[in-house]
Amino acid sequence: KQEVTQIPAALSVPEGENLVLNCSFTDSAIYNLQWFRQDPGKGLTSLLLIQSSQREQTSGRLNASLDKSSGRSTLYIAASQPGDSATYLCAVLITGGGNKLTFGTGTQLKVEL
Amino acid sequence: DAGITQSPRHKVTETGTPVTLRCHQTENHRYMYWYRQDPGHGLRLIHYSYGVKDTDKGEVSDGYSVSRSKTEDFLLTLESATSSQTSVYFCAISELGPRTGANVLTFGAGSRLTVL
Repeated sequence: KQEVTQIPAALSVPEGENLVLNCSFTDSAIYNLQWFRQDPGKGLTSLLLIQSSQREQTSGRLNASLDKSSGRSTLYIAASQPGDSATYLCAVLITGGGNKLTFGTGTQLKVEL
Repeated sequence: DAGITQSPRHKVTETGTPVTLRCHQTENHRYMYWYRQDPGHGLRLIHYSYGVKDTDKGEVSDGYSVSRSKTEDFLLTLESATSSQTSVYFCAISELGPRTGANVLTFGAGSRLTVL
């Protein structure tokens, strides 16, 4: 059974700091890995999707990497801003698991002024 | 949340009553999903659909049924609500199928259900 772990569960940083969020998964047979952002009381917004054949994806200040063999992904946020405060979730789609995305429980990020 | 609407956004009901949540999309996407989100469990797939009248079970389908009679609507029904079904329910859509590896999901804003 695929398990997805995100560490730390919560993180507080000062504005302007570069930071890394971690996601690890136990089954390396994946189609893709996605990073989402969730604001309080809101739905999830897809940030980046990395297909299994890719190593990384970039969007603005965000860069996500994928190392399938080690079962790890990182989300790098450059020059963090208070508006980046949210919960960040990663999710993986495994090849042998039907159509089910397996989500981590998220990292709650707070960027302070 | 553009293009995907969930209703109701909030509902309080009593144990044993039927409840239907509606997901409506204007994107004409083929794939639709229902997830529930609970503290400590993250999001878990309840049911999904890959076309009109084509649905399949997810990870936590017991106690739930779905229907999709039109491309734009995906209904989630709790036949007899229980307190364990108190949760936030999210609908999601994707244009491409999961096995393409490129299926970016768009989520609705969620429906908060409380079963007393």
